[in-house]
Amino acid sequence: KQEVTQIPAALSVPEGENLVLNCSFTDSAIYNLQWFRQDPGKGLTSLLLIQSSQREQTSGRLNASLDKSSGRSTLYIAASQPGDSATYLCAVSLSGSARQLTFGSGTQLTVLP
Amino acid sequence: DTEVTQTPKHLVMGMTNKKSLKCEQHMGHRAMYWYKQKAKKPPELMFVYSYEKLSINESVPSRFSPECPNSSLLNLHLHALQPEDSALYLCASSQDWGGVREKLFFGSGTQLSVL
Repeated sequence: KQEVTQIPAALSVPEGENLVLNCSFTDSAIYNLQWFRQDPGKGLTSLLLIQSSQREQTSGRLNASLDKSSGRSTLYIAASQPGDSATYLCAVSLSGSARQLTFGSGTQLTVLP
Repeated sequence: DTEVTQTPKHLVMGMTNKKSLKCEQHMGHRAMYWYKQKAKKPPELMFVYSYEKLSINESVPSRFSPECPNSSLLNLHLHALQPEDSALYLCASSQDWGGVREKLFFGSGTQLSVL
């Protein structure tokens, strides 16, 4: 059974810092991995999707990398801002279908002004 | 339009009440989902509809009854809920073509409290 772990559970950084969020998974036979952002009491917003054949994806200040062989992904946030404060979740798909995502528990990020 | 709209945003109900959650999308997506999320936990899949047919039921108690009237609408009917059912209920949709780039689009959720 696929297990997805995100450490740390919470992270607090001063504004302007570059930071890295971690995601690890136990079964390396994944089709893709997605990073989501969730604001308190709100739904999830897809940030980046990395296919199994890719090593990284970039969107603005965000860069996600994937190392299938080691079962790890990182989300790099450059020049963090208070507006980046949210919970970040990663999710992996073993089948290629969005129906069968396994989510991590998330990292709650607070960026202090 | 890349939105999934959920109503109501908040709902308080007693254990004997019957209520419904509603979800709507106009992106032409053919798969729609219900997730349940407790505080500080990841979303848990409840149901998946594909082309308006129920394709996945993750052993959800019968007090939760999903309905997909058409490809744009998804309802979740609630009856005789328990206080432990209090949670954020999230609707999501996807194209359902099974490709490696298939993304989930989530609504903002309904925060449900059962008294």
